[in-house]
Amino acid sequence: QVQLQESGPGLVKPSETLSLNCTVSGGSISSYFWTWIRQPPGEGLEWIGHVYYTGRTDYTPSLERRVTISADMSKNEFSLNLNSMTAADTAVYYCARGFHGMRGWSYDLWGRGTLVTVSS
Amino acid sequence: DIQMTQSPSSLSASVGDRVTITCRASQSISTFLNWYQQKPGKAPKLLIYGASSLQSGVPSRFSGSGSGTDFTLAISSLQPEDFATYYCQQSYSTPITFGQGTRLEIK
Repeated sequence: QVQLQESGPGLVKPSETLSLNCTVSGGSISSYFWTWIRQPPGEGLEWIGHVYYTGRTDYTPSLERRVTISADMSKNEFSLNLNSMTAADTAVYYCARGFHGMRGWSYDLWGRGTLVTVSS
Repeated sequence: DIQMTQSPSSLSASVGDRVTITCRASQSISTFLNWYQQKPGKAPKLLIYGASSLQSGVPSRFSGSGSGTDFTLAISSLQPEDFATYYCQQSYSTPITFGQGTRLEIK
């Protein structure tokens, strides 16, 4: 079955760039909207953005100037880059598979999440 | 952005109870509404999509209803494994937005 696994640093210094990867196993990324969602400790879910296999991307406006999401078909993975990190970006970062159909976008498959802490 | 507001923020109930959680959108979203369950330390799990369609493998005690701006998640006969946090999510347009969550606790 299809599985998603996040990888990347657990600790990032303020002002640095966060780079996370999500490896998709058991299926191809040549479909679906591959998505990043984050959750600050003890808080709710925030959609960051997604990439379609064609390269189309959409981002949440509050992060749009700092974020890039891309997909690598050859590696069957997609990635998140978020620059100018601050303490407010400390969160568990989830990658997820987004299905877009007649009822809009839904997220039926998620990675386990990776905690990223911003601290010097 | 479409704002999603859930109520209540927390809820105490007993095994066997029926509970309802509501979600209100800041504008009409037809039936473009999903519900997720999240347990501590775990990723969210899709329960309901399209406001009322049960995701495969989800027990039938979960049900969803509503359209436009007002939606409800109902759980009939609570089971011990149902105590978790529940989130609504509008699937109408990007940016995708979630409600703030409803924590369902054991009474």
